[in-house]
Amino acid sequence: DQQVKQNSPSLSVQEGRISILNCDYTNSMFDYFLWYKKYPAEGPTFLISISSIKDKNEDGRFTVFLNKSAKHLSLHIVPSQPGDSAVYFCAACTSGTYKYIFGTGTRLKVLA
Amino acid sequence: KAGVTQTPRYLIKTRGQQVTLSCSPISGHRSVSWYQQTPGQGLQFLFEYFSETQRNKGNFPGRFSGRQFSNSRSEMNVSTLELGDSALYLCASSLAGPGSGNTIYFGEGSWLTVV
Repeated sequence: DQQVKQNSPSLSVQEGRISILNCDYTNSMFDYFLWYKKYPAEGPTFLISISSIKDKNEDGRFTVFLNKSAKHLSLHIVPSQPGDSAVYFCAACTSGTYKYIFGTGTRLKVLA
Repeated sequence: KAGVTQTPRYLIKTRGQQVTLSCSPISGHRSVSWYQQTPGQGLQFLFEYFSETQRNKGNFPGRFSGRQFSNSRSEMNVSTLELGDSALYLCASSLAGPGSGNTIYFGEGSWLTVV
């Protein structure tokens, strides 16, 4: 049972444009969400997080939006840069369970 | 501040053997989580430890085990290796463990190939 889904395995975007990565979840008990970026042969790097009490969180070029009614999370990268090319994972957690559940990832390619 | 350190980075084992992977968390972090990454499967949760206690365990067979020491360092062990155990094993640490407001930080992983 995949509780966190990233339905787009890959995405290509032109440099300078907006990248939108999507994540859907099924468990309404999730109360904290994270996004990670992963380059080949490296561990995932934390990007940005959002609590279920918020609907938006910004950090520089990265903004995460949370739509609880739709059980949908999205990461916006503006403007996209070639160095953003990586695999992006969303993750969700229910407080007290002590585990994050990850999606299968979306490979972003930013074209110069 | 040093990050999460995992050893060894790469290893090749034969079916039926066992393997032990090690993880040193960020200084001051008391929670260590382990994940398995295989192509197309994302990151699958193995287990989480805090102050030497396992607080949660994923859906893996009993061949997968772990432990945490009093200095918060952790090890995971896989016995009777199978070809399907070939994967990237990732360790992550955090101050208080996965949950609201608590980010987990990953090491670079241990690449295990079973032949």
